[in-house]
Amino acid sequence: QQQVKQSPQSLIVQKGGISIINCAYENTAFDYFPWYQQFPGKGPALLIAIRPDVSEKKEGRFTISFNKSAKQFSLHIMDSQPGDSATYFCAASTGGYQKVTFGIGTKLQVIP
Amino acid sequence: DSGVTQTPKHLITATGQRVTLRCSPRSGDLSVYWYQQSLDQGLQFLIHYYNGEERAKGNILERFSAQQFPDLHSELNLSSLELGDSALYFCASSAIGDTQYFGPGTRLTVL
Repeated sequence: QQQVKQSPQSLIVQKGGISIINCAYENTAFDYFPWYQQFPGKGPALLIAIRPDVSEKKEGRFTISFNKSAKQFSLHIMDSQPGDSATYFCAASTGGYQKVTFGIGTKLQVIP
Repeated sequence: DSGVTQTPKHLITATGQRVTLRCSPRSGDLSVYWYQQSLDQGLQFLIHYYNGEERAKGNILERFSAQQFPDLHSELNLSSLELGDSALYFCASSAIGDTQYFGPGTRLTVL
């Protein structure tokens, strides 16, 4: 059972464009929503995270939008660059971060 | 560099064999988590240890086991290996109330 549904599984965006990845969850007990970025041959690295009491969080070119009532959250990458090409995972966890449930991942390719 | 180290980087073995993967958490982190990543399953949580004690279990097979030692390093033991066990195995560590930081992973190939 996939508790965090992520789409699309692959995404091709032109340099300078906006990359958008969407996630949805069912478990209302989730209270921490991190996004991880993974380059080939590397482990996932925390990119940005949000809690459900905030509707938006921005860090540089990366923005998380959170819709608590719809149980959806999304990652927007503004001015996408070839160096952003990686796999992105949304995730969700409950208090204490003990068990993080990951989405299936989105492979992003930014073409020049 | 996350500060989490994993050895070995690559492991090639045969079906039916047993292997041990090792993880050293970031300095000061008491929690260690193990994940399996395969192409069709994404990142699957296996098990969580906190200061030597098992705290949570995910989709971990009975053929797999883990432990965390007094020096906080952890080992994941995989036995009676099958072709389907070929995957990337990641270890992550965290401090209390903090996010998880992932190691570089061990790529296991079962032939």
